[in-house]
Amino acid sequence: ETGVTQSPTHLIKTRGQQVTLRCSSQSGHNTVSWYQQALGQGPQFIFQYYREEENGRGNFPPRFSGLQFPNYSSELNVNALELDDSALYLCASSAGTTSYNEQFFGPGTRLTVL
Amino acid sequence: GDSVTQMEGPVTLSEEAFLTINCTYTATGYPSLFWYVQYPGEGLQLLLKATKADDKGSNKGFEATYRKETTSFHLEKGSVQVSDSAVYFCALSGWEGFKTIFGAGTRLFVKA
Repeated sequence: ETGVTQSPTHLIKTRGQQVTLRCSSQSGHNTVSWYQQALGQGPQFIFQYYREEENGRGNFPPRFSGLQFPNYSSELNVNALELDDSALYLCASSAGTTSYNEQFFGPGTRLTVL
Repeated sequence: GDSVTQMEGPVTLSEEAFLTINCTYTATGYPSLFWYVQYPGEGLQLLLKATKADDKGSNKGFEATYRKETTSFHLEKGSVQVSDSAVYFCALSGWEGFKTIFGAGTRLFVKA
C-alpha cells in the first residue's frame, strides 16, 4: 500500500509568481486536506476536497485554490505569491471527511518565496 | 473560535525520564482530540486520539486523557527514549469535522 506522496519536495519562487503543488492520496482514500505549516508553528488548515468538490475552507484568501481529480489526487495552487507564503505545505488523505477518519500526512513540500 | 494551546518547548529530558506535555483547548461542543508526532524529515503521524470525555488514548507507551472539566489533553510517557525526540502537536477536530486545528508544537529532545 502506497502512502501519501507530495511533489516537489522543495521549491523556490519569487514574489508575484504562481505555484502548483501536488499530492497523491493513499489507496482507498477519497478525501484530501491541505495545510500550511510556517516555521516553528503548527499546521494551519487551508481546505479540504471530497470526491472532487471543496468540502470546507480555512481562513486563506482566494488566491489559494485547489483541485481534486477522479483518482482523488489533488493540487494546491497559489497565485500572486507573497513572502509570507514561505512554509511547508502538507497534504493529508483520509477515507472520509469526519474527525473519525484518520488523516495520513505526506512529507510536505517546502516552498520558499524570495 | 476553536483553539489549542500547548506548552512551549523545547523540552529536554534524559533517557528514562517521565514526560508530560501540557495541552488545553477551547472548543464549542465536544471535539475529538489528538496528539500527532513529527520526526525529523518525516510527515506528521497520528500518535493517539480520544473522541469523548474521560477517554484515554494510548500508543507506544504514550497516553493522554480527555478531561472536559479542565479542557485538557496532556500527553504523558513514563520512560522516554532517545528515539522519542521529535515535535509533538496537540490538535482538535470540532463541530466543523473537516477541519483539524493544531497547537504550535512542542519539541522534545531526549539525551542518552
